[in-house]
Amino acid sequence: SQQGEEDPQALSIQEGENATMNCSYKTSINNLQWYRQNSGRGLVHLILIRSNEREKHSGRLRVTLDTSKKSSSLLITASRAADTASYFCATDSVGVQGAQKLVFGQGTRLTINP
Amino acid sequence: SAVISQKPSRDICQRGTSLTIQCQVDSQVTMMFWYRQQPGQSLTLIATANQGSEATYESGFVIDKFPISRPNLTFSTLTVSNMSPEDSSIYLCSSLRDTFSDEQFFGPGTRLTVL
Repeated sequence: SQQGEEDPQALSIQEGENATMNCSYKTSINNLQWYRQNSGRGLVHLILIRSNEREKHSGRLRVTLDTSKKSSSLLITASRAADTASYFCATDSVGVQGAQKLVFGQGTRLTINP
Repeated sequence: SAVISQKPSRDICQRGTSLTIQCQVDSQVTMMFWYRQQPGQSLTLIATANQGSEATYESGFVIDKFPISRPNLTFSTLTVSNMSPEDSSIYLCSSLRDTFSDEQFFGPGTRLTVL
């Protein structure tokens, strides 16, 4: 079952604006990762934030984590047309026989309008 | 960090046939993972493949349908057997960035269409 729920499911903004996507999860985590996927291709790893971290930056990306609310947000500043993609959060979980696995949210489809 | 490639990038197959997808990592990794992404959906883990042992399958996935090989620390294959149109998906392999990282990197995916 999906652990993460992302909000909104779709977001359309003008180039240059900031985009914020949210992710909520249900169980305790060690870390949370954000990924980008362009047009059904492979996933590009954006950032990992650990449960003991509250905020992390990478270029135009800012990720926050609130473990008390079991939620995370991804902020993309000064958006560009090339940022148009689907964005997924993924939390670590323990799968069958103790194997570590990622559980993905449903994703946010971001469209940047020129 | 690990670079992952997959072959084929896409294929169109007939119902009842099987397809084997290859995944190559440019460095030795302990665990490799296989995910499925059905059209318009998110990713779901199929199985975890450790070198030298049987793959560990998630609930809802069985070895007869998705046999996996892991002959060495840089390579794995996933076979989609006796395909039906419901198997039309993107199949992705992944591994950890390196031994000391929790970051999971993905291959470019294999887009499978079953007619």
